[in-house]
Amino acid sequence: EAGVAQSPRYKIIEKRQSVAFWCNPISGHATLYWYQQILGQGPKLLIQFQNNGVVDDSQLPKDRFSAERLKGVDSTLKIQPAKLEDSAVYLCASSFDSWLAEQYFGPGTRLTVT
Amino acid sequence: ELKVEQNPLFLSMQEGKNYTIYCNYSTTSDRLYWYRQDPGKSLESLFVLLSNGAVKQEGRLMASLDTKARLSTLHITAAVHDLSATYFCAVWIYGQNFVFGPGTRLSVLP
Repeated sequence: EAGVAQSPRYKIIEKRQSVAFWCNPISGHATLYWYQQILGQGPKLLIQFQNNGVVDDSQLPKDRFSAERLKGVDSTLKIQPAKLEDSAVYLCASSFDSWLAEQYFGPGTRLTVT
Repeated sequence: ELKVEQNPLFLSMQEGKNYTIYCNYSTTSDRLYWYRQDPGKSLESLFVLLSNGAVKQEGRLMASLDTKARLSTLHITAAVHDLSATYFCAVWIYGQNFVFGPGTRLSVLP
């Protein structure tokens, strides 16, 4: 079974630039999550999708971050404009359902904002 | 606001020894998850605990959940070097979704 795919794996941008990350969940997984993990900390949930609808985006900084999952499969997370404090690893995870919610994580995208 | 704490944050132990990592949380929940993360890698699901008194074991790791005490433990038996990693617990609260603890960085020394 293929795992969660993410791209790019690494990205370096200057502050005030924009960046986008892509995630393809495990086939058949209805629930998709985006997390931000700052070095030395636990992941922080940014947004959760159930199919193509948003379940929770309470911790998404909506003035600069946006995410979509138009067809209920893959998803993109965008930052515009980026700030220095956005430097982190962005993890995508998926689960078969939102009740058991055993999440399978992708390899992550390491973002450095200079 | 849900707070999830882990203790200890750093743990250095010798091979063959036993130890316990503690995860406590501030709001009632009956769903708790344990993950492992190797340096530079993503997270791997270890255990899903869904009810009070739940106990799960896999190899040298055993996890338990006491929802009344708002406490989960991850017990390591006869540690080996391959267990060196960072271990996270995560709690799910309806309306607050998933909150991860800060992680326990474990080093198992020969």
